[in-house]
Amino acid sequence: AQRVTQPEKLLSVFKGAPVELKCNYSYSGSPELFWYVQYSRQRLQLLLRHISRESIKGFTADLNKGETSFHLKKPFAQEEDSAMYYCALLYNFNKFYFGSGTKLNVKP
Amino acid sequence: DAGVIQSPRHEVTEMGQEVTLRCKPISGHDYLFWYRQTMMRGLELLIYFNNNVPIDDSGMPEDRFSAKMPNASFSTLKIQPSEPRDSAVYFCASTPNFGNPGTDTQYFGPGTRLTVL
Repeated sequence: AQRVTQPEKLLSVFKGAPVELKCNYSYSGSPELFWYVQYSRQRLQLLLRHISRESIKGFTADLNKGETSFHLKKPFAQEEDSAMYYCALLYNFNKFYFGSGTKLNVKP
Repeated sequence: DAGVIQSPRHEVTEMGQEVTLRCKPISGHDYLFWYRQTMMRGLELLIYFNNNVPIDDSGMPEDRFSAKMPNASFSTLKIQPSEPRDSAVYFCASTPNFGNPGTDTQYFGPGTRLTVL
């Protein structure tokens, strides 16, 4: 069963435009969600976790249990945001799934 | 700190050959994960260890895949025999706090790009 769905493989936006990377999950309990990012020629790394309710590099993500979503948003995209983004789900404290990833391309 | 170390960085082999990928986790991290990344399926968790013991190997695709962690500083992922569909990037990751959503952060290695001809 697909537990984390990222419907867009590629998302292209212009610099300064708002960006939203979609993530939907399948889990009826209390999920813990994360966004990981992989910049070109760098290692995959944690961007943010929903439990912290933090904004990192201008990105935020809100957990919507009604829609089972955890979309990643940024009001004004920058070229350096171009990267591969993965949504991830942790449940039962020991089950961890990544989505298939979305490649964000921010055009100048 | 060099972080998680993986070797080799690139591996090209012929179908039927045995392939061994290696990983050295960050010192003090009790959890080690092996992932496979492909264009079609994204990032898949293959297996993870806690204190050198395999905990969940439900993601291992076939019996051709095996993983070991003989000690806290070394793990291997072996494919025998290899097939062209095994071509992918294989990542190793480690963390000291798996399952704690407030602190769980997986630290990834640079990956091994495997090509099976």
